[in-house]
Amino acid sequence: GESVGLHLPTLSVQEGDNSIINCAYSNSASDYFIWYKQESGKGPQFIIDIRSNMDKRQGQRVTVLLNKTVKHLSLQIAATQPGDSAVYFCAENTGGFKTIFGAGTRLFVKA
Amino acid sequence: KAGVTQTPRYLIKTRGQQVTLSCSPISGHRSVSWYQQTPGQGLQFLFEYFSETQRNKGNFPGRFSGRQFSNSRSEMNVSTLELGDSALYLCASSLVGTGFDYEQYFGPGTRLTVT
Repeated sequence: GESVGLHLPTLSVQEGDNSIINCAYSNSASDYFIWYKQESGKGPQFIIDIRSNMDKRQGQRVTVLLNKTVKHLSLQIAATQPGDSAVYFCAENTGGFKTIFGAGTRLFVKA
Repeated sequence: KAGVTQTPRYLIKTRGQQVTLSCSPISGHRSVSWYQQTPGQGLQFLFEYFSETQRNKGNFPGRFSGRQFSNSRSEMNVSTLELGDSALYLCASSLVGTGFDYEQYFGPGTRLTVT
């Protein structure tokens, strides 16, 4: 996709399998975390968010896990579909109206 | 409800010139944020506006500036363009700001190429 990073980590999964995308965040003071999906030629699209006082949140086919002890965030996608192929970004917010994005992971779904 | 719109979608400028990019948020959204996306640096926060006030800014030189109008539309300006300013510039709007359950909606971006 355009301008989404030529050397991103890539995760390749078989259609129907579950995907797990990991992210390490930097600021222990961050209180809000978000996962975005970016398809080629489009802006990032919100997937799911979680507040720092939670450790798990579920959406439709997606689950976000937060481990504040090791500053780690993960996105689990159940029954991955070809339409899930995209670049996924985690982002953190410290409450100062400023969102910091991670480097991104490219997910490739094999049919 | 119409999404976030950005104009123009593509732009080619020469080093030393200046450029103005425009963003129209979703109707009713009062917070607008700007980001720069490049292959090398990823997505980087530029600034955020709410009710015509800049509430936060990222680590960019003063050549990057922005403003927000009373109808929440926003513009960003880059003066004295450098080759390294070539990027996809993304605008995002949200109801009142970036917080839990206040989703940011992104526009398609403006692709700026500096030659």
